[in-house]
Amino acid sequence: QSVLTQPPSASGTPGQRVVISCSGSSSNIGMNTVTWYQQLPGTAPKVLMYSTDQRPSGVPDRFSGSKSGTSASLAISGLQSEDEADYYCAAWDNRLSGPLFGGGTKLTVL
Amino acid sequence: EVQLVESGGGLVKPGASLRLACEASGFTFGDYGMTWVRQSPGKGLEWVSSISSTGSFLYYADSMKGRFTISRDNAKNSLFLHLSSLRVEDTAVYYCARMGHVSGTLFDSWGQGTLVTVSS
Repeated sequence: QSVLTQPPSASGTPGQRVVISCSGSSSNIGMNTVTWYQQLPGTAPKVLMYSTDQRPSGVPDRFSGSKSGTSASLAISGLQSEDEADYYCAAWDNRLSGPLFGGGTKLTVL
Repeated sequence: EVQLVESGGGLVKPGASLRLACEASGFTFGDYGMTWVRQSPGKGLEWVSSISSTGSFLYYADSMKGRFTISRDNAKNSLFLHLSSLRVEDTAVYYCARMGHVSGTLFDSWGQGTLVTVSS
């Protein structure tokens, strides 16, 4: 069972805005930045967002990240069919002294 | 271009050992910490172990401590994970990833993964 809690699924139609949440605690999200990964079917994960709200080069600005207290969010605007993937949040946990992943959210573009 | 290529996975029986390798290219391997992350079939990502750039510092998830050993050979641009006392629940794709310098959860390049299947 992941200590970072994500909804197992999310969906939207093309062009819509979707938000994926990631809930943690004071020892992880509350104290540290959040990284988001996108995993397309059959491929390795790829960094989508780091340091909570920073996009690596090549990631469209349709993707944005934020954090409030012990929860983080990944927002995807202008949803496209190629956004259909699994999304994982990650944060360092000070109690465990290691990184934690969320359970993942499967995004379906209807 | 950064490339990470894992090898060494396969089908083994419970209690067996296995050594995974990850060959790196396209960057100065000795400048980066490296990590192993696994993904059980149909499941999410799970951090396994990390190693500092020089190999001086090793980190393990609690459930892997004592059974898994991470190491690296900077002269050969290679990362290793020795798995022992394997259990059925260790069945997973094992990815090696490069650690970015910005945070402890930034794994900025990943290999394609190697599948370890533990079954009797």
